[in-house]
Amino acid sequence: ETGVTQTPRHLVMGMTNKKSLKCEQHLGHNAMYWYKQSAKKPLELMFVYSLEERVENNSVPSRFSPECPNSSHLFLHLHTLQPEDSALYLCASSQDMGWDGYTFGSGTRLTVV
Amino acid sequence: AQSVSQHNHHVILSEAASLELGCNYSYGGTVNLFWYVQYPGQHLQLLLKYFSGDPLVKGIKGFEAEFIKSKFSFNLRKPSVQWSDTAEYFCAVTDGNQFYFGTGTSLTVIP
Repeated sequence: ETGVTQTPRHLVMGMTNKKSLKCEQHLGHNAMYWYKQSAKKPLELMFVYSLEERVENNSVPSRFSPECPNSSHLFLHLHTLQPEDSALYLCASSQDMGWDGYTFGSGTRLTVV
Repeated sequence: AQSVSQHNHHVILSEAASLELGCNYSYGGTVNLFWYVQYPGQHLQLLLKYFSGDPLVKGIKGFEAEFIKSKFSFNLRKPSVQWSDTAEYFCAVTDGNQFYFGTGTSLTVIP
């Protein structure tokens, strides 16, 4: 375990479903991130939360909705996704925007059918 | 914005061969540099990092990287790879505001 726990590990959902990805960190970090990892593409930063406030939203479609209720938890709410949204979704955390590096979770493998 | 380039997309080596993966970044200011590794089916984990001081840094599992400021490079090396080094390797750079990742290099080591 890395100290960053993501659930579920795998998720298959239909395009009309609503689901949520969960991330929890036990490291006392004050920043959390959602990344999308697709095959043969660079890691895409989706959202950044620092001290529970969203500080970055990289032109992510509104069908992805993040939520950060406290500094230890981060959610990604999904609705009406498209097949091209199938990917590995990674959560990461850091102290002070990552000057010392990020700690990643194991990811959620999402398949949209 | 920063950019991070990893020139080798896929590398195939035999066991005991030497490895060097290239990484170049674009930012001219102060940066911290990282190499992450992702073994098949596993999370991204830190291999090594450079903050300051000796430009040759040693990481886990026999990996090392050399920071050459004049070339904006941070190449990863290992003198003798093993089958267990088969993984995806990511170079990353932070300027203190944001992390920037390279596209990754897939390494396959043949026994």
